[in-house]
Amino acid sequence: DTGVSQDPRHKITKRGQNVTFRCDPISEHNRLYWYRQTLGQGPEFLTYFQNEAQLEKSRLLSDRFSAERPKGSFSTLEIQRTEQGDSAMYLCASSLGLAGIRNEQFFGPGTRLTVL
Amino acid sequence: DAKTTQPNSMESNEEEPVHLPCNHSTISGTDYIHWYRQLPSQGPEYVIHGLTSNVNNRMASLAIAEDRKSSTLILHRATLRDAAVYYCIPTSIIQGAQKLVFGQGTRLTINP
Repeated sequence: DTGVSQDPRHKITKRGQNVTFRCDPISEHNRLYWYRQTLGQGPEFLTYFQNEAQLEKSRLLSDRFSAERPKGSFSTLEIQRTEQGDSAMYLCASSLGLAGIRNEQFFGPGTRLTVL
Repeated sequence: DAKTTQPNSMESNEEEPVHLPCNHSTISGTDYIHWYRQLPSQGPEYVIHGLTSNVNNRMASLAIAEDRKSSTLILHRATLRDAAVYYCIPTSIIQGAQKLVFGQGTRLTINP
């Protein structure tokens, strides 16, 4: 399967613990995005990377959140000192990132985080 | 970001056409209109996009109003697999694809 993969698919943690999620984009895609989705809502943008550069961060991304994309390949999203409000589905997507060309984002299956 | 308005839910029968409307009256002249859908327990998937003229692909058709303030996603013969939440998302064509701003979308139910 050459789609976007995310690991783990599910994570249960206790409040105050740190968690890290991984996203492997489609190999030739330059852009990688993170979104968060809570129950009954549409996904909300968190941040995106063009290769290894993080180009935009949402105000939703508090200081407890950090994302990296070393070498412009896979990406990690870390949440420190988790809170119950962090419980959500975390979605990763990738795209070619070329202007003016069919440029849809391909989404992974998501990581469902539950903070107890 | 352009604001969109979609019905919260719609219902249709299998093998019948479905027309999903979207109002985007504040859309910019450089915004494409993208449609994504999200099947249960999955990430969103791209359906179709257009700028000014109507578009067709294997999944659906997109009809765009002449003033570009609204569009309609058309599923020609709905199947049970088309039951999903459908999102209409204006997206800038400048600098390539950037963030997608999802609204509430339309939850489509297909009856057998």
